[in-house]
Amino acid sequence: SYELTQPPSLSVSPGQAASITCSGDKLGERYVCWYQQKPGQSPVLVIYQDNKRPSGIPERFSGSNSGNTATLTISGTQAMDEADYYCQAWDNSQVIFGGGTKVTVL
Amino acid sequence: QVQLVQSGAEVKKPGASVKLSCKASGDIFINHDINWVRQAPGQGLEWMGWMNSNSGNAGHAQKFQGRVTMTRNTSTSTAYMELSSLRSEDTAVYFCARVSPVRTRTLYFFDNWGQGTLVTVSS
Repeated sequence: SYELTQPPSLSVSPGQAASITCSGDKLGERYVCWYQQKPGQSPVLVIYQDNKRPSGIPERFSGSNSGNTATLTISGTQAMDEADYYCQAWDNSQVIFGGGTKVTVL
Repeated sequence: QVQLVQSGAEVKKPGASVKLSCKASGDIFINHDINWVRQAPGQGLEWMGWMNSNSGNAGHAQKFQGRVTMTRNTSTSTAYMELSSLRSEDTAVYFCARVSPVRTRTLYFFDNWGQGTLVTVSS
């Protein structure tokens, strides 16, 4: 079955950029989306179709997808961006989630 | 704004079944896929399956074969997910999520999530 791999954790200083990777076989040939989840809350879509932002999502969130790796970049990371981030793709009529990356802003 | 409102927390004994509901506001329920995703304590998101609100067609992850049933009531815009033969490992928060109408054959993602329902399986 298809798998998506994310680093478990990432630390970033306020104002710096955070890049979260999501790896999978020929992932660039699929569409990837990203969800943000804060403790005790439901996930929120922050990027879809590799690099599109839903309305209401700040411009500091951007995405790319090429080769075997998709990347979510948070430019000028803020304290409010501290959360778990999950990538997601669609394969053979199945939804696939990455394992999630905990982003700590310190 | 689309809203998905889920039923309240449940406590079940091993071997029992649980049936969760997910009520959609307005007409956003019509002809959309509703999916179920669960999250065990301290763990990541795990996809369970999907159901089309219009046709009732459904599919699920192989892991839940024989244990999960997804249904809907179109008159009340409510989706249901029943999980049987519960075990302690099924203790999790269960989310329903709507697939974006932007979807295509290769583009499938969730633009709205319910608030989640905690299911605790304990003897």
